[in-house]
Amino acid sequence: AQSVTQPDIHITVSEGASLELRCNYSYGATPYLFWYVQSPGQGLQLLLKYFSGDTLVQGIKGFEAEFKRSQSSFNLRKPSVHWSDAAEYFCASPNSNSGYALNFGKGTSLLVTP
Amino acid sequence: DAGVIQSPRHEVTEMGQEVTLRCKPISGHNSLFWYRQTMMRGLELLIYFNNNVPIDDSGMPEDRFSAKMPNASFSTLKIQPSEPRDSAVYFCASSLSPGVVEAFFGQGTRLTVV
Repeated sequence: AQSVTQPDIHITVSEGASLELRCNYSYGATPYLFWYVQSPGQGLQLLLKYFSGDTLVQGIKGFEAEFKRSQSSFNLRKPSVHWSDAAEYFCASPNSNSGYALNFGKGTSLLVTP
Repeated sequence: DAGVIQSPRHEVTEMGQEVTLRCKPISGHNSLFWYRQTMMRGLELLIYFNNNVPIDDSGMPEDRFSAKMPNASFSTLKIQPSEPRDSAVYFCASSLSPGVVEAFFGQGTRLTVV
């Protein structure tokens, strides 16, 4: 079954600095991959998704992610972080064993310092 | 569209009481998901409906949990009897079709069982 792992529980970056959040997937074929963001007290919002084609995917709020098959990774990046980006970030992929409902990683909590 | 609507937003109940969480998916979406979020276990899929039919309920923790989708615009998640370890944030999500396209999340119901 397809699954994702987020190795970093917490990440702290300074406002204006670049950001990279890691996501590793385990699946033989080309996976479907998603990044979601959760602001405090809110539900999850889709940032971007990868199905096939161009390995560099652009999302909302200035985020992008790159699919790298050789590294089994789908890392999320942003060139310059804003204080409003502080949130919980989840990588996800559909699980064929569950009717393709999304399975989520444990999440990475992003703290942005002044 | 108003998005996925969950009610109540917060619920505090005593151990042993019945709790019912409600969800109205986005009109036209034929897939509905219930997730539970805790610090220890992250986001867990509880049950997935497609066209009002439960497809996978393997994530439902115990017989105390039950979910129904009597029509395309309404679903409930019931816990009877509730226990303190059921305290969590419960999310409902819907999508046009499972896995491939974006799942839209409600704002969640924060359940506290005392």
